Amino acid sequence: QSALTQPRSVSGSPGQSVTISCTGTSSDVGGYDYVSWYQQNPGKAPKLMIYDVTKRPSGAPDRFSGSKSGNTASLTISGLQADDEGDYYCCSYAGSYTLVVFGGGTKLTVL
Amino acid sequence: QLQLQESGPGLVKPSETLSLTCTVSGDSISTSYYGGWIRQPPGKGLEWIGSIHYSGSTYYNLSLKSRVTMSIDTSNNQFSLKLSSVTAADTAVYYCARSPYGGNHYFDSWGQGTLVTVSS
Repeated sequence: QSALTQPRSVSGSPGQSVTISCTGTSSDVGGYDYVSWYQQNPGKAPKLMIYDVTKRPSGAPDRFSGSKSGNTASLTISGLQADDEGDYYCCSYAGSYTLVVFGGGTKLTVL
Repeated sequence: QLQLQESGPGLVKPSETLSLTCTVSGDSISTSYYGGWIRQPPGKGLEWIGSIHYSGSTYYNLSLKSRVTMSIDTSNNQFSLKLSSVTAADTAVYYCARSPYGGNHYFDSWGQGTLVTVSS
């Protein structure tokens, strides 16, 4: 099972919006509405920000939103803030045999 | 509040078996959810290793399946990972995480992670 494809880095200024893409196949991202997104700061454990493509867990700001079209899922962060900096990983269900697969990660820089 | 804590040796010799335990507090692992293991080599991305249901059913990453064994101890609220025949490529921070009921495809609570170095 290959990792999902994410851009290595994205950047934006405070107050702007950025979108991070996550491309898979019809066997994972495109086949199920089970994409999740995680934020990871240096030296810390990942934190769940979005699950089931569009749902936010309690504690995740509503500036974070998710969507999906075909085999590509996206995470959009609006009203960028300095503490949004970090690495972001997507993850998708990939069937009852493989279960889940992660993306390679995207480094977000707030300029 | 749910908390997960990894424990185990921080140094393992090549060809030996890596063994880690995740202790869960704040909830019983017998409440129909999955425990997962995810690792992150230094400077690299996340890799799912496997997940185990409280009933004992398991799912493993196909690329690691021949070397991975996961088990669960409901009496002590723990689940464990064994990875055999380790090499330097298995050096990583190992995280345990919880998948909530009805959501074995995502992880809503994570341990702080433990660094395991494979070296002689």
